Amino acid sequence: DVKVTQSSRYLVKRTGEKVFLECVQDMDHENMFWYRQDPGLGLRLIYFSYDVKMKEKGDIPEGYSVSREKKERFSLILESASTNQTSMYLCASSTRRGRIMAGELFFGEGSRLTVL
Amino acid sequence: AQSVTQLDSQVPVFEEAPVELRCNYSSSVSVYLFWYVQYPNQGLQLLLKYLSGSTLVKGINGFEAEFNKSQTSFHLRKPSVHISDTAEYFCAVSLMDSSYKLIFGSGTRLLVRP
Repeated sequence: DVKVTQSSRYLVKRTGEKVFLECVQDMDHENMFWYRQDPGLGLRLIYFSYDVKMKEKGDIPEGYSVSREKKERFSLILESASTNQTSMYLCASSTRRGRIMAGELFFGEGSRLTVL
Repeated sequence: AQSVTQLDSQVPVFEEAPVELRCNYSSSVSVYLFWYVQYPNQGLQLLLKYLSGSTLVKGINGFEAEFNKSQTSFHLRKPSVHISDTAEYFCAVSLMDSSYKLIFGSGTRLLVRP
């Protein structure tokens, strides 16, 4: 069964702290994504990675960075957390093996971050 | 620029009644279309998808959707809902020329009442 695992379901951090959100997938997928989910705004893409050490900015990359040192792991980093980064963060993966399957995403359960 | 519009933020409905969740998209290139469902405190999972062929697509849990190219719509329907269908539903499009990216709508919360 496909599995995307996010390391923390709930986190509470203080303004200015550095925050790491970890995501691991066991499906050997090439593509990995970080989305942010806010009420009324749906899901907005922060960053995605189509290969190890490769990354591209999504729609809202400001204040975030990512790391993909291994194919199965994709980390989201908040260098200096701010209160407006309080949100639900969703990791997802997909395969690039053929265009047809590439659009289907497999999601983790989410990490709810609160910045005080 | 591409966009996805879900006009209804919340749809209340009684159990066993039919439901339609609306989705319209805007794109200058051909698209693939998806509906995802998010149950409380969970991630999203794929409900159904349209890639090509028949414009009526059937998905899991009795849901179906119809692709209407002239109206750029992909509405989701179910003839009889259950309490367990209470969830948030997201419509999404994937551009055929860069299909590893999905553009999501803002979501519709389906609230099924007994």
